[in-house]
Amino acid sequence: QVQLVQSGAEVREPGASVRVSCRTSEYTFTNYYMHWVRQAPGQGLEWMGIINPSTIYAQKFQGRVTMTRDTSTSTVYMELSSLRSEDTAVYYCAGENGVNFSFDYWGQGTLVTVSS
Amino acid sequence: DIQMTQSPSSLSASVGDRVTITCRASQSVNSYLNWYQQKPGKAPKLLIYAASNLQSGVPSRFSGSRSGTDFILTISSLQPEDFATYYCQQSYSTPRTFGQGTMVEI
Repeated sequence: QVQLVQSGAEVREPGASVRVSCRTSEYTFTNYYMHWVRQAPGQGLEWMGIINPSTIYAQKFQGRVTMTRDTSTSTVYMELSSLRSEDTAVYYCAGENGVNFSFDYWGQGTLVTVSS
Repeated sequence: DIQMTQSPSSLSASVGDRVTITCRASQSVNSYLNWYQQKPGKAPKLLIYAASNLQSGVPSRFSGSRSGTDFILTISSLQPEDFATYYCQQSYSTPRTFGQGTMVEI
């Protein structure tokens, strides 16, 4: 069974950075495109970007987000800098099927809280 | 960017009802349209891919259809476990964009 396992909740002060990890199997890492999606409290889903292994970021996050991957551990990372209160959200990684282009698998989510 | 507009934003229905949710794309996405179900505190779950294909393990009461740039998710007979928020998403281009969601209350 495919699993995407994310790192735990984080609390940061405004202006700081946060890095969230998403570990999966070698098969999933090789055969799925990895995306990051966030969801602010009570809000909808917001796409942030893809790493495969090249990256495409949503314009909204350009300059603040960096997505990387470690092939030795089948882990992808999302780092968001210059955090502000509006970045408080649950961050999800998702694996996209390269045939149907659907997000077949999702991590459990990581809550990032930005507060002074 | 392709805008996805869902309607309604919320609905109330009874067990056994037929429920339809509509998603309109601002431009052609062909059939690169997916539907997800999200329950409170949980990650989204894929229901329908490529507009009308049922994901493995998803009950057959869920179905999807397409007419041009309009897409419909239908729940043929609503069950108590279907209380959730439903999102459409286009995968035709980046940025991948989601509809704003439809909350289904039982």
